[in-house]
Amino acid sequence: QVKLQESGPGLVKPSETLSLTCIVSGYSISSGYYWGWIRQPPGKGLEWIGSIHHSGSTYYNPSLKSRVTISVDTSKNQFSLKLSSVTAADTAVYYCARDLMTTRDYWGQGALVTVSS
Amino acid sequence: QSALTQPPSASGSPGQSVTISCTGTSSDVGGYNYVSWYQQRPGKAPKLMIYEVSRRPSGVPDRFSGSKSGNTASLTVSGLQPDDEADYYCSSYAGSNMGVFGTGTKVTVL
Repeated sequence: QVKLQESGPGLVKPSETLSLTCIVSGYSISSGYYWGWIRQPPGKGLEWIGSIHHSGSTYYNPSLKSRVTISVDTSKNQFSLKLSSVTAADTAVYYCARDLMTTRDYWGQGALVTVSS
Repeated sequence: QSALTQPPSASGSPGQSVTISCTGTSSDVGGYNYVSWYQQRPGKAPKLMIYEVSRRPSGVPDRFSGSKSGNTASLTVSGLQPDDEADYYCSSYAGSNMGVFGTGTKVTVL
C-alpha cells in the first residue's frame, strides 16, 4: 500500500525558509508519476503549490514560483519542498500527494507549519 | 491561474441527491477531461472520490458520480448519508503540468 508522510519543523520564523520532506513507502518514486505539494491555510481551501516528476522536472504554481523549490531524492524515495521568505500568510497545513494529471490518489496526513516569531 | 468556482454550501436530507458545480474556463475544466473531486472531513487529508471527470476509484460508492458540460463540472451524491457530510473540492488540469483547485463546498446532511 502506498503511504506518504510529511516531516519537518512545525514553526518557522518570518523571512526564513520553510522546509518539508515527504517520505514515500510502498511505491518507488522512480517508477513514475508526479509528486506534489498542496497546502491549506486554517479554515480555507486547498492550493496547489507544485509538482515534480520522478525525472526531476518541476512545475510550480505561478503565484508561488519565485519562492518555491521542489526536489526529489530517488535513493531515499522522498521528495522535498522549500518555500523561502515566508510570512504569516504561509501558515497552513502542507500535504504531499502522488499526482497524475492532477489526480491525487494518495495523500500524506498533512503537516501544520506556523510562521511566527 | 484563478481558483475554480464552487458554491460555498449545499445540503440535502438523507436519501436525497445533491449536486455540486465547479466552474472554470476553457483553459482548465473546459479544455481537458482531467477533473477530479475530493472529499475532506475535518482534520483529515482530502480523499479522491472522482477522477478524469467521471471515473470512480476502487472503494468509492457508486452513489458518487461526476460529469462535465463545457466549462462546468459537477459532482452528484445520490442517496445522501450522514457520513457524506464533508467539504468537497474539485480540481482540474490547467495545461503545462499545472493544476488548480476549486473554492470548496460544504455539504450538510439535514
